[in-house]
Amino acid sequence: QSVLTQPPSVSGAPGQRVTISCTGSSSNIGAGYDVHWYQQLPGTAPKLLIYANSNRPSGVPDRFSGSKSGTSASLAITGLQAEDEADYFCQSYDTSLSGYVVFGGGTKLTVL
Amino acid sequence: QVTLRESGPALVKPTQTLTLTCTFSGFSLSTSGMCVSWIRQPPGKALEWLALIDWDDDKYYSKSLKTRLTISKDTSKNQVVLTMTNMDPVDTATYYCATGNWGSQFDYWGQGTLVTVSS
Repeated sequence: QSVLTQPPSVSGAPGQRVTISCTGSSSNIGAGYDVHWYQQLPGTAPKLLIYANSNRPSGVPDRFSGSKSGTSASLAITGLQAEDEADYFCQSYDTSLSGYVVFGGGTKLTVL
Repeated sequence: QVTLRESGPALVKPTQTLTLTCTFSGFSLSTSGMCVSWIRQPPGKALEWLALIDWDDDKYYSKSLKTRLTISKDTSKNQVVLTMTNMDPVDTATYYCATGNWGSQFDYWGQGTLVTVSS
C-alpha cells in the first residue's frame, strides 16, 4: 500500500487529454512538500518528467504539465501520442511514520 | 554529464546479505546539498524508496526496512554502497540508485540491477 494514491490505470486515444491524480495527506503533499513525476517506459529506469509540482526539465515536451492543490497533485498529458504509453509515478516527502521519501503506486497509461 | 551505475550480485540466497554498489560520475557527493538514494521496484510493482545518504554523511532509511539496511559512501571513489541483511524472496526487485538535491526530486537514475532472491 503506497503512501501516495494513484489510479492503477488510465487510457486515452491519440490526440486526447488525460490526467493522473496523486492523492496524499497532511503529512506529505498537504504539509507543503513538492510533488515530482516520473515516466517509466517499458524495461527502462524511471525518468524525471515534472519537478516541484509544475516544472518541466529540459527536453520534456510542453504536452506534459503538473499541478498541486491541497493534499493532491495531478499530471496532465495533452495531445496523447503512442510513445506516451508508460507507467507514471508521483513522489514527495513525508514527515510521518510512513518514511522520508514516498512514491505513488504508479499509473499505467494505455494509448488506445 | 551525470551517470550512475548499479552493480552487485544478480542472485542471492534467502538469509544472505546483499551488497550493492552505485558508482557515479558527473557530480561530487561532497558538494553541499547533494544526495544519493537507493530505490527498488519488484517486478510489475511500484517504486519503493530504501535509503538516502547526503553530502554531510547523514543517512535516512525506510522506516519499514531500517533494521536491515546500511548505506555508506566513499567520496574518493564516487561510490555509494547499500547493504541489506536477511534477504527474502519478497526482496526480489530491480534496485536503482538515483541522485538529486536534498529534499528535492531525483534528477538522474541508474539503469537498475535485478536482484533475485532464491535458493
